[in-house]
Amino acid sequence: GQNIDQPTEMTATEGAIVQINCTYQTSGFNGLFWYQQHAGEAPTFLSYNVLDGLEEKGRFSSFLSRSKGYSYLLLKELQMKDSASYLCAVRDRVDSNYQLIWGAGTKLIIKP
Amino acid sequence: GAGVSQTPSNKVTEKGKYVELRCDPISGHTALYWYRQSLGQGPEFLIYFQGTGAADDSGLPNDRFFAVRPEGSVSTLKIQRTERGDSAVYLCASSLWGTSGSNEQFFGPGTRLTVL
Repeated sequence: GQNIDQPTEMTATEGAIVQINCTYQTSGFNGLFWYQQHAGEAPTFLSYNVLDGLEEKGRFSSFLSRSKGYSYLLLKELQMKDSASYLCAVRDRVDSNYQLIWGAGTKLIIKP
Repeated sequence: GAGVSQTPSNKVTEKGKYVELRCDPISGHTALYWYRQSLGQGPEFLIYFQGTGAADDSGLPNDRFFAVRPEGSVSTLKIQRTERGDSAVYLCASSLWGTSGSNEQFFGPGTRLTVL
């Protein structure tokens, strides 16, 4: 079956660094996405990994290890506006199609 | 350019009624997805269109749910005989092409459906 686990909530301080982990179990892995979702708003795309390693994009970086079924999202120089939920989503093969399977999200609280 | 739009933004209905939710994808996007999201959960896949056809409808929970995309752009999600358990935010997303590569999905603001 499919399973995606990420912490329910994390707290960090403005200006600091935080790492949000995601572990997954899938049958036909075909890429991993991170999305940001502010309360009451739609998810917005942050990053995509399909090969092992680190993808860096400004203050945000995402890492993938396919052999370990593990990814993390690293946020640097935290700002108050980074307070949001961060969703890990894995593209997995379901029957003959690919679907995005979503984690429940990690609510990140930034304190001054 | 314009993003994905959804109407209505909020819909309150009574148990047993019929509702239609509309999605206008980004112009030129061939792929369109419907999800629903409950509080504190990630989106749950419902259906995926490639052009006018439903390429994958395996996420529709039962036969009360149906979706169409007759001209390959606007899509309507239809729910018959609504139940209280159908209450959720219904999200629509579109992407340039289908389910491959770094093909990010762009989400609309969602329709909050409340079934009383």
